Amino acid sequence: GNSVTQMEGPVTLSEEAFLTINCTYTATGYPSLFWYVQYPGEGLQLLLKATKADDKGSNKGFEATYRKETTSFHLEKGSVQVSDSAVYFCALGGTSYGKLTFGQGTILTVHP
Amino acid sequence: DTAVSQTPKYLVTQMGNDKSIKCEQNLGHDTMYWYKQDSKKFLKIMFSYNNKELIINETVPNRFSPKSPDKAHLNLHINSLELGDSAVYFCASSVQAGSNEKLFFGSGTQLSVL
Repeated sequence: GNSVTQMEGPVTLSEEAFLTINCTYTATGYPSLFWYVQYPGEGLQLLLKATKADDKGSNKGFEATYRKETTSFHLEKGSVQVSDSAVYFCALGGTSYGKLTFGQGTILTVHP
Repeated sequence: DTAVSQTPKYLVTQMGNDKSIKCEQNLGHDTMYWYKQDSKKFLKIMFSYNNKELIINETVPNRFSPKSPDKAHLNLHINSLELGDSAVYFCASSVQAGSNEKLFFGSGTQLSVL
């Protein structure tokens, strides 16, 4: 079945540092890939998505490229801010019915 | 206005009790979901409804019963609560039930079973 593996957290960075959160997946077919973000005390929000191989999703300075050959969708940001502190989830779209398979989440803390 | 709202935000109850969590979306979406997030932040889908019809029912105990009176509402009723039911429950919605759909999440209900 489908599965998503994210890098273990927590990740702690200083402001303006470079961020990478690794995400790899196992799936049949060609699923859509997503990154969701959960700020403290809130529900998840879509950060970005990519629907086919080599697509790059981007939003708020974050980027991720759908790599079919390495089955990966790593999240990157060139310069993080304190306000980026949150839990980040990589997710895989299902083949039908909008069922998402989530990774285990990566806690990011950014210090001033 | 809140797009996906769920109540209550916190629910503390004793083992064996029956409780309900309500969810409403004002986005006009056709599809609604319940997800469970455990203490390690792991999220897993429980149910999905499309236009009031059940379309996803993951291996969830029969004690959990979703009800969708109309497509804007999806409530979750839990019978005979157990310690292991303690978690954060998220309601979500999407325009339709497709694999590319963006999910809109509520802010969660933290259930603590004592």
